Amino acid sequence: DTEVTQTPKHLVMGMTNKKSLKCEQHMGHRAMYWYKQKAKKPPELMFVYSYEKLSINESVPSRFSPECPNSSLLNLHLHALQPEDSALYLCASSQTAVRRHNEQFFGPGTRLTVL
Amino acid sequence: SQQGEEDPQALSIQEGENATMNCSYKTSINNLQWYRQNSGRGLVHLILIRSNEREKHSGRLRVTLDTSKKSSSLLITASRAADTASYFCATKVGEGAQKLVFGQGTRLTINP
Repeated sequence: DTEVTQTPKHLVMGMTNKKSLKCEQHMGHRAMYWYKQKAKKPPELMFVYSYEKLSINESVPSRFSPECPNSSLLNLHLHALQPEDSALYLCASSQTAVRRHNEQFFGPGTRLTVL
Repeated sequence: SQQGEEDPQALSIQEGENATMNCSYKTSINNLQWYRQNSGRGLVHLILIRSNEREKHSGRLRVTLDTSKKSSSLLITASRAADTASYFCATKVGEGAQKLVFGQGTRLTINP
C-alpha cells in the first residue's frame, strides 16, 4: 500500500467553526508533513512530524493545531480560521524526515473554504 | 524565501512534441527532486537526482543537473495529453535537511 489518504476531500467552514483534517498512511513511514497550497502557487510546508514528535513548525498561526496520535495518523485541527486560510491542504509522508535521498508521498489534499 | 525558481511559468505544446522545464536554486544541495501535480490534486514524485549525478532517465523523463550553475532541467519526450499538469522542482533545506522547498512550478499543457 503506497497510498496516503486524506479526509474530507472538501470542507467548507465558518470562521467560528472547529473542524479537523485527517491523514493516514500505512507504509510504515515515520515522518509526516502538512503543506498549504494556494491556487497557482507551490506547496508551502507547515509542520513536520518525525517519529510522532513535532520537529518543525514553520511559524504557523495557532489557529492551526497539528496532532500525531500514532505513526500512521496525522490530524490538523482548525479553529477560528480566516477567509485567507482557504487553500488546498496536503499531507505527505516519507520514510524518515532526515534521510536526504528519500521521496515524499502525497495525499490528494483537502480543499478548504473558509466563509 | 524560495529555494527554486522555474521557467517557463507556463508551457503549451502539441502532443508528440518534447517539453523542457528549467529550475534554478540558491543554496548547495544533496539532491533535487521533480514532482508532478494534476489540477487541484496531490503531488506525485517523478525523479530524484543526487548532487553527484549529472543526468538521470526514467521512461520518457530525462533530468539534468548542473551544480556549478545551480540549475536543473526536466525533459519530457513524446508528450501525451496525460502529461498536462504542473511540474515542480524541490530541494531539501534546513537543519537535518527535513524541509522540502518547492520552486514556483511550470504549468504544462499538451494540446491534442
